[in-house]
Amino acid sequence: GAVVSQHPSRVICKSGTSVKIECRSLDFQATTMFWYRQFPKKSLMLMATSNEGSKATYEQGVEKDKFLINHASLTLSTLTVTSAHPEDSSFYICSARTSGARTQYFGPGTRLLVL
Amino acid sequence: DAKTTQPNSMESNEEEPVHLPCNHSTISGTDYIHWYRQLPSQGPEYVIHGLTSNVNNRMASLAIAEDRKSSTLILHRATLRDAAVYYCILRDVGSGTYKYIFGTGTRLKVLA
Repeated sequence: GAVVSQHPSRVICKSGTSVKIECRSLDFQATTMFWYRQFPKKSLMLMATSNEGSKATYEQGVEKDKFLINHASLTLSTLTVTSAHPEDSSFYICSARTSGARTQYFGPGTRLLVL
Repeated sequence: DAKTTQPNSMESNEEEPVHLPCNHSTISGTDYIHWYRQLPSQGPEYVIHGLTSNVNNRMASLAIAEDRKSSTLILHRATLRDAAVYYCILRDVGSGTYKYIFGTGTRLKVLA
């Protein structure tokens, strides 16, 4: 149980285009989902927290107009990187928790390369 | 935010026990201590969590100091597949969102 999937697993896009990454909880209802990014050899950095049906809460320094997060259902959250640039190239990871749970479950990650 | 401190790296021989330490001197009374591990190019994998008492599961054991300012993750017999970055994490309960604050983690190398 407690499986989280992400799609796509890797994506290459041209500079200036937008990319959407999906995060799904497969066997539980995710009342809260989190989005992280990770640069090579570095730790995970939290970007934003989203609760189902509410606007996402972004961490300091994360541009909300650039990283659009939607959490429209209890099993799906999406992260859209708008007008992507090479510096947005990174490993993006989502996690999910259900109401009352003490732990988060992480997706396998999406590697984004912007050319 | 409560923060954790871990050694950057550790080595262990295969089939031997491994003790991974974590300091969390600013932990609050309601903070659970969580451990995750991350293999290369994968998302973090849940290992174990606890509040005050020592905890055991099929993957590992978690020993929590009496004052809760430190904890140790114990892998009883390290295998090559245990080579990963291990993160000791406290939740940011004060924010009401239960978000995790990741530290730098410990990169465990297992020698055959």
